[in-house]
Amino acid sequence: NAGVTQTPKFRVLKTGQSMTLLCAQDMNHEYMYWYRQDPGMGLRLIHYSVGEGTTAKGEVPDGYNVSRLKKQNFLLGLESAAPSQTSVYFCASSYPLGAGGQPQHFGDGTRLSIL
Amino acid sequence: RKEVEQDPGPFNVPEGATVAFNCTYSNSASQSFFWYRQDCRKEPKLLMSVYSSGNEDGRFTAQLNRASQYISLLIRDSKLSDSATYLCVVYFGGYQKVTFGTGTKLQVIP
Repeated sequence: NAGVTQTPKFRVLKTGQSMTLLCAQDMNHEYMYWYRQDPGMGLRLIHYSVGEGTTAKGEVPDGYNVSRLKKQNFLLGLESAAPSQTSVYFCASSYPLGAGGQPQHFGDGTRLSIL
Repeated sequence: RKEVEQDPGPFNVPEGATVAFNCTYSNSASQSFFWYRQDCRKEPKLLMSVYSSGNEDGRFTAQLNRASQYISLLIRDSKLSDSATYLCVVYFGGYQKVTFGTGTKLQVIP
């Protein structure tokens, strides 16, 4: 009964380093999302995916790349980390957002610090 | 104007009190609405969906006012465990677009 699992939970990087955040869900959800949450800013959508092999840009996509090679996994990459990317990153998944909408289920977050 | 706006609070209320939060949205085409709860340094968790006719879940009542473009959350008989940040979420539809408010912080005091 894992739901949405994010790895790692914490990470400290130096400016310019790269890393990949992994999100895995076992609920057979079509849609997956990556958000960042900063104080006073709320959750902001970075990228999202509506199905295996497809991705799309969200509100703040610059400096990030994503891949959805398998339905259950959604990877977020930072090619060259910058201090402005210090944040808490949340992954979420949901059934397709039809007319009725569907709530999102969140992982417990990755706390990333860029020095 | 922000797409979704919430009073950040904090709302400090004594145990047993009734407290209400509002959330306004700017897009009249918004289709779905939710309230999430987020504890400090934790992930957001769905509290309840908001239906056009209003809905109730125990001590929690959610209402939607499409004419004035806001949703509300009423918490009755507040418990210490209700202390958290409450996020309003609005789905605009058609663009798979979900927008989160910045949250309203509630602190229930003994």
